[in-house]
Amino acid sequence: QVWLQESGPGLVKPSEILSLTCSVSSGSISTYYWSWIRQPPGKGLEWIGQIYDSGDTDYNPSLKSRVTISVDRSKNKFSLRLSSVTAADTAVYYCARYRRSPSSRRVDYYYYYMDVWGKGTTVTVS
Amino acid sequence: QSVLTQPPSVSEAPRQRVTISCSGSSSNIGNNAVSWYQHLPGKAPRLLIYGDDLRPSGVSDRFSGSKSGTSASLAISGLHSEDEGDYYCVARDDNLNGPVFGGGTKLTVL
Repeated sequence: QVWLQESGPGLVKPSEILSLTCSVSSGSISTYYWSWIRQPPGKGLEWIGQIYDSGDTDYNPSLKSRVTISVDRSKNKFSLRLSSVTAADTAVYYCARYRRSPSSRRVDYYYYYMDVWGKGTTVTVS
Repeated sequence: QSVLTQPPSVSEAPRQRVTISCSGSSSNIGNNAVSWYQHLPGKAPRLLIYGDDLRPSGVSDRFSGSKSGTSASLAISGLHSEDEGDYYCVARDDNLNGPVFGGGTKLTVL
């Protein structure tokens, strides 16, 4: 059973860099995709970005200029870096395993979903 | 404003059945499978449905999913008070190359 744990500062000053790490309990981090998602207070979930087993990344266009996601395979961890933060970046931040599974019902069709989530970490920008 | 549209709230009595709708477009629900998540207060989101209607191991068969065109639904039968929480639909968006979320639906078991 894989579990994920987010860690990092709970308080970040405006204009500074938010840095979080997600520790993966077991298994190879290299064989899956990994995502960051956040939930601002009173709002819904928002995808931040993901990193693939190849090391390639995709980011939400609304955050792309400020986001970097990286992976440290030797430590089984992946990280989020968000620069130039403002109060609007105050949120609970979740890491998740992002799956791409082939459909058994359609050729060349894949299911995308997040099957394992961390419990989340609250980050306040103030 | 979320890309996928869900009702903000639904409510139903214990032991009854409730459905939560999720509306999108051709670039997301219309062309990709939908997943559903349960988010209980203070807990990590939990995958309930993937591939439109597939349940992961360990998820109760009280939860079921369906999809037609650019809309999807989550049905929960035999409601328990423990089901109270927020439910989100998600689908990959071809324009984004990543997932888009519904705004979430708060379920109240009366």
